Amino acid sequence: DQQVKQNSPSLSVQEGRISILNCDYTNSMFDYFLWYKKYPAEGPTFLISISSIKDKNEDGRFTVFLNKSAKHLSLHIVPSQPGDSAVYFCAAIRDTGNQFYFGTGTSLTVIP
Amino acid sequence: DTGVSQNPRHKITKRGQNVTFRCDPISEHNRLYWYRQTLGQGPEFLTYFQNEAQLEKSRLLSDRFSAERPKGSFSTLEIQRTEQGDSAMYLCASSPSGLAGVWDYIEQFFGPGTRLTVL
Repeated sequence: DQQVKQNSPSLSVQEGRISILNCDYTNSMFDYFLWYKKYPAEGPTFLISISSIKDKNEDGRFTVFLNKSAKHLSLHIVPSQPGDSAVYFCAAIRDTGNQFYFGTGTSLTVIP
Repeated sequence: DTGVSQNPRHKITKRGQNVTFRCDPISEHNRLYWYRQTLGQGPEFLTYFQNEAQLEKSRLLSDRFSAERPKGSFSTLEIQRTEQGDSAMYLCASSPSGLAGVWDYIEQFFGPGTRLTVL
């Protein structure tokens, strides 16, 4: 039962351009959404989060957009840098829960 | 280094053997999570501790799996009678208590994982 989905396994973007990573979810009860970045041989590291009562959260080059009616969120990286090349996971959690649900990940390659 | 550490980093075992992994969370973190990640998948929740209490377990955690956090500090995950399907990366994460609300614990800090290969 995959409640959080990332339908694009990979994405390639030119350095300096925008990277858009997408995530869909099925459980309308999720209250918080997060993005993690993972480099090879390392654990995931937290990137940015958003509450379900917001539709946008921005942190430097990273912006997360949430469309609750479509049960869709996206991560925008502008401008993209080669160091952004990694696997990106979206995750979700309910306010009353302890279990985080992760998507399958999107491998981003930023081409210099 | 004050991050989350996991040992061993790699483990190769034969089917039917028992294995145990250790996780040392960030010292002031009360919450500790175990995840399993297989190729092409995201981390899948296995279990969650608040201090020494195991408060939630996934259906993925069969009776061959047991996790402990005896003093509310480090945690161990044991797999008995390993099967080839247990081959995966096992990740540990920690976060603060959440006494200040969800934003207190929503950011998890992950260790580098233990890669298990069952032959």
